[in-house]
Amino acid sequence: KNQVEQSPQSLIILEGKNCTLQCNYTVSPFSNLRWYKQDTGRGPVSLTIMTFSENTKSNGRYTATLDADTKQSSLHITASQLSDSASYICVVSAGSWGKLQFGAGTQVVVTP
Amino acid sequence: DAGVTQSPTHLIKTRGQQVTLRCSPKSGHDTVSWYQQALGQGPQFIFQYYEEEERQRGNFPDRFSGHQFPNYSSELNVNALLLGDSALYLCASSSGTSGFVSSYEQYFGPGTRLTVT
Repeated sequence: KNQVEQSPQSLIILEGKNCTLQCNYTVSPFSNLRWYKQDTGRGPVSLTIMTFSENTKSNGRYTATLDADTKQSSLHITASQLSDSASYICVVSAGSWGKLQFGAGTQVVVTP
Repeated sequence: DAGVTQSPTHLIKTRGQQVTLRCSPKSGHDTVSWYQQALGQGPQFIFQYYEEEERQRGNFPDRFSGHQFPNYSSELNVNALLLGDSALYLCASSSGTSGFVSSYEQYFGPGTRLTVT
């Protein structure tokens, strides 16, 4: 069973609207959580990295939240643009020597 | 700064053949990690190289092997290709004296799309 679960699997939103993606994890012990944006056929690009003590981190129109107690994270996209169409992947790492655990990603499509 | 580069971009091989994929890390980075990403799935960790040695390995068979050169570039070799090996292979580089996978920002290359027929 994947230790990082993302929802929804896919999402279609109108340009200019906001959306929120969810990530639940069971990875332990927790080290940090990352959100990546991956355009089709390209490598993932980091959006945010959060450690245990961080609750919120922003990168432009992207805002990530983390609740380490409930092991949940969200990525909020504000005022979506056509260029936001991509797969958004939640990645959790466990401990100092832990391997990165990737979620399957949420495919976001922004339509005009 | 060229960032992480990978070659080739696309590759088509026949079942049973062998393949070598190449990766050059971002300038200043000394650690290279390889991932396999099947269509519609998140990347799966294959292994990580630091100081020319394999430091960590994911759940992949011995058919998957690698190498890191003194200039920090790396190769991924896959022997006896199976249809299920068809995927996007991603290389990521990072910097850190410890080489911990979890501790350092990783920069991904564009990937190599491998198709096994």
